[in-house]
Amino acid sequence: DAGVIQSPRHEVTEMGQEVTLRCKPISGHDYLFWYRQTMMRGLELLIYFNNNVPIDDSGMPEDRFSAKMPNASFSTLKIQPSEPRDSAVYFCASSRQVNTEAFFGQGTRLTVV
Amino acid sequence: EDQVTQSPEALRLQEGESSSLNCSYTVSGLRGLFWYRQDPGKGPEFLFTLYSAGEEKEKERLKATLTKKESFLHITAPKPEDSATYLCASSPIKAAGNKLTFGGGTRVLVKP
Repeated sequence: DAGVIQSPRHEVTEMGQEVTLRCKPISGHDYLFWYRQTMMRGLELLIYFNNNVPIDDSGMPEDRFSAKMPNASFSTLKIQPSEPRDSAVYFCASSRQVNTEAFFGQGTRLTVV
Repeated sequence: EDQVTQSPEALRLQEGESSSLNCSYTVSGLRGLFWYRQDPGKGPEFLFTLYSAGEEKEKERLKATLTKKESFLHITAPKPEDSATYLCASSPIKAAGNKLTFGGGTRVLVKP
């Protein structure tokens, strides 16, 4: 298995533009997570899905952020409009069941200028 | 609110100099305590899961232990390739699914 695949690896965009981050979880994993990592706040959970259904989105910072999982092999995190303070590394992770380890992708480094 | 605190923030070791990293957690009912390793520019890589006080797990030069309030990651005779940021995370029983709260991490640098 290729692991969790994220794209793009790097994204530089101007303030106000829409940004879409993509994730392909490991096949057979029922849980998918979106995290954001910054120097100031560390690794924060934004939202997670179970069997393609959003379970907890309490970590989503604002209405500018939205996430979807149209099927078991694909998820997106969208920021519209983007702001400089959204600059961070965004990770997608997946896990097989409750209380099992989560496997992380390589992340997308987002820079909003 | 669930909290995970790691100490120290950074650790510089000489090759072969053993040490321990601390992870303190406050959670009303622990489902699991996870340790990850993160290298620069990469996603966290899973190391261990501990489920109950007294449990220990080992992998090469790393050993993780768990008490009711904290977990330790012991690095025995470290090598330069053990240099990384080590993250711990708690998963509370009350949370549906697999919600993890991460600590801030400990950056470990092992010098030859």
